[in-house]
Amino acid sequence: GAGVSQSPSNKVTEKGKDVELRCDPISGHTALYWYRQSLGQGLEFLIYFQGNSAPDKSGLPSDRFSAERTGGSVSTLTIQRTQQEDSAVYLCASSSQKEGIGYTFGSGTRLTVV
Amino acid sequence: AQSVTQPDIHITVSEGASLELRCNYSYGATPYLFWYVQSPGQGLQLLLKYFSGDTLVQGIKGFEAEFKRSQSSFNLRKPSVHWSDAAEYFCAVAPLTGGGNKLTFGTGTQLKVEL
Repeated sequence: GAGVSQSPSNKVTEKGKDVELRCDPISGHTALYWYRQSLGQGLEFLIYFQGNSAPDKSGLPSDRFSAERTGGSVSTLTIQRTQQEDSAVYLCASSSQKEGIGYTFGSGTRLTVV
Repeated sequence: AQSVTQPDIHITVSEGASLELRCNYSYGATPYLFWYVQSPGQGLQLLLKYFSGDTLVQGIKGFEAEFKRSQSSFNLRKPSVHWSDAAEYFCAVAPLTGGGNKLTFGTGTQLKVEL
């Protein structure tokens, strides 16, 4: 597509429920990133996919967080047993080899855990 | 560990006035340097980036930034601010090698433009 698409744009969930956030990167972009933007924590790196390599999961805050990228394209970030501190905007970004560093961000999913 | 400092949390300028947003970084070596802008409810848009070469970098929307190695700074400037520039601005760094292209962001500077 023309840009990085994220869905849903807003999600309200009850504490303890699981949620799935979707990211559809720019077509042909081999790298995909998830970041979290929250009050008091700023922008934090979560996970990074590059082609067929094993993802860099070093930013995931707990084992309740996981992500996958199917077919080198769409990615899903899953948060299990959501907690109130998970409330944040989750941003996805993608980049190409040609573009290099300095990737394109989506508009984000605002997650509210009540 | 690398860090990025944006000392100004909020800045207010009048439309037409010049703007400078400060960014300092702490890193073992000169990293890649970026400025992003975020309008309310939007994702981050890349304004400009510095990898090497000319230390004055031109970006979109009339913005420029100057890399000063001696000061570990990468300040963002605009000669004449427009009301539409009101947004939050983030400075970021990424390692030259390794690190998986992960960005480390500053805490952001909220820009308000008075008409």
